[in-house]
Amino acid sequence: DAKTTQPNSMESNEEEPVHLPCNHSTISGTDYIHWYRQLPSQGPEYVIHGLTSNVNNRMASLAIAEDRKSSTLILHRATLRDAAVYYCIRTLPGSARQLTFGSGTQLTVLP
Amino acid sequence: DAGVIQSPRHEVTEMGQEVTLRCKPISGHNSLFWYRQTMMRGLELLIYFNNNVPIDDSGMPEDRFSAKMPNASFSTLKIQPSEPRDSAVYFCASSLNRNTEAFFGQGTRLTVV
Repeated sequence: DAKTTQPNSMESNEEEPVHLPCNHSTISGTDYIHWYRQLPSQGPEYVIHGLTSNVNNRMASLAIAEDRKSSTLILHRATLRDAAVYYCIRTLPGSARQLTFGSGTQLTVLP
Repeated sequence: DAGVIQSPRHEVTEMGQEVTLRCKPISGHNSLFWYRQTMMRGLELLIYFNNNVPIDDSGMPEDRFSAKMPNASFSTLKIQPSEPRDSAVYFCASSLNRNTEAFFGQGTRLTVV
């Protein structure tokens, strides 16, 4: 089972940090954690991914719990353009590393 | 690079007609994915190609659906005959290889009436 659990929705104020949680309690040692987001009327967009260590890139930071059963996507300063559905994905075991999308978290950014 | 290019962006067709969706992956990418998105079922992986070869088509709903990748720069998803329940947004995505991030196209919104 490659499921992850995310809240259905979250709200944030513009210019403030946002912490989007994800639970993946059945994750195996070789599974990566990927985050994608989907803006309205667009295809999903890669945000970040990691295995064990915390990761940073120009879009966001990914904090991974020591036991790897959960992770948090951090947007340091939310903008109105960050309003989207955010998907936390645990890659399937095996060689294909396909992406299985859940229902994600709808992030609303308030001006 | 222009990214993953899908055509058409919108398609309206009558039930029973054949529909062909097209995808041009990013040049140099070896993996290609077709997804379908509906309100009820979310984003579903239909089929995955690696180096033009179908690797996993277990997500293809039924025999009415078929996908081909005749070369590294082109793929098609065909539905014949189409049904109203096929109405959805179909996304194509490509990645450099099966271990790197996927880049998605803008999607084709299919409406079968």
